[in-house]
Amino acid sequence: DAGITQSPRHKVTETGTPVTLRCHQTENHRYMYWYRQDPGHGLRLIHYSYGVKDTDKGEVSDGYSVSRSKTEDFLLTLESATSSQTSVYFCATEGGSRYGYTFGSGTRLTVV
Amino acid sequence: SQQGEEDPQALSIQEGENATMNCSYKTSINNLQWYRQNSGRGLVHLILIRSNEREKHSGRLRVTLDTSKKSSSLLITASRAADTASYFCATALNQAGTALIFGKGTTLSVSS
Repeated sequence: DAGITQSPRHKVTETGTPVTLRCHQTENHRYMYWYRQDPGHGLRLIHYSYGVKDTDKGEVSDGYSVSRSKTEDFLLTLESATSSQTSVYFCATEGGSRYGYTFGSGTRLTVV
Repeated sequence: SQQGEEDPQALSIQEGENATMNCSYKTSINNLQWYRQNSGRGLVHLILIRSNEREKHSGRLRVTLDTSKKSSSLLITASRAADTASYFCATALNQAGTALIFGKGTTLSVSS
């Protein structure tokens, strides 16, 4: 979706290294979300943000941290990547409940 | 743990047939949403049904909600090959109605 950009689109990293994924939106949406998608698990919520510097944990937050210093950017950091964090990561924003979420195209992360 | 669970996990039909997917959830909700995901892409919002609604239509989509049974169904009428995708139901993690939790999805294959 043109309103949400995730970067990088693909990344291979080594176990134990820090990794930061970026989500950038041009919609001025208040709410932003990070999900991971794995076979057999569907999408699982990692962290979400309801405003600048306001964040909360989701279903699977262990090993992840987030930051939101500007409305348009929501960063997801893996402090020390592990192989279990190999996944496809999706960012989403919400402009109002009746419109649903808008998703980015995803970041495929491989931890070797 | 997932709030919503879709059934069946996979569904294969011929073009022109109807496809029905079901979703069961665990706790009380403000609304329930359905999303579609084409292979390798982010999710796309299809339809939202509020807890005080029993049925909603959008084009070839029909969604029903039975709060007494904590279940919803998505009907796609006159399916097309382009409907081939995974379909997810989602409900909110919190009382504010934000932070959607997704089920594991139903994979629909429509053959021509």
